[in-house]
Amino acid sequence: EIVMTQSPATLSVSLGERASLSCRASQSVSTNLAWYQQKPGQAPRLLIYDTSTRATGISARFSGSGSGTEFTLTISSLQPEDFAVYYCQQYNDWPPFTFGQGTKLEIK
Amino acid sequence: EVQLVESGGGLVQPGGSLRLSCAASGFTFSSYTMNWVRQAPGKGPEWVSCISSNSGFIYYADSVKGRFTISRDNARQSLYLQMNSLRAEDTAVYYCVRGVSITIFFPGDVWGQGTTVTVSS
Repeated sequence: EIVMTQSPATLSVSLGERASLSCRASQSVSTNLAWYQQKPGQAPRLLIYDTSTRATGISARFSGSGSGTEFTLTISSLQPEDFAVYYCQQYNDWPPFTFGQGTKLEIK
Repeated sequence: EVQLVESGGGLVQPGGSLRLSCAASGFTFSSYTMNWVRQAPGKGPEWVSCISSNSGFIYYADSVKGRFTISRDNARQSLYLQMNSLRAEDTAVYYCVRGVSITIFFPGDVWGQGTTVTVSS
């Protein structure tokens, strides 16, 4: 089973600043990686898939990069609605499909 | 509007059973793979099971294999999860998740609002 590790657990960033969230896989997942955003009381929402492709309706402020075992989600110019928990997920080697434990992005 | 609506959650004693349902609307259900994903309180999501568009391929997480059964009825545009021999560690919000295509299970591009399962005596 591929283990996904996200860092940091909590990230404090000011409005208008850029945030970079990391995700590491225990073995290569090629570019078969997705990012989801989850707000309190809501279901996760797909942001990025195939490492760097934005899902339908997702702002260009969200971008993804990486390959193999190291991935980054970058959010430029943070807006109030961006503060949430973010999860990465690999779908390269399955079952199981595995998620990271999440990074909570909070306002500094 | 593309929508998934789960139902069937509730409080059940350890060893008991529940059947979750997911009603799909706004898209051709038979053209997509489907998944169940759960999330325990304060934890990240955990994939539970997936089923191909024609039910020909089914997979389970080791944690539920032999206890849970996924199924679908394309005519009714519905997905199901029969959960038997429930344990305290099965307590979670259960989400119905659409795969992005007829052959690909993830990423999941549409998620339901979730239904809560609590296993406790």
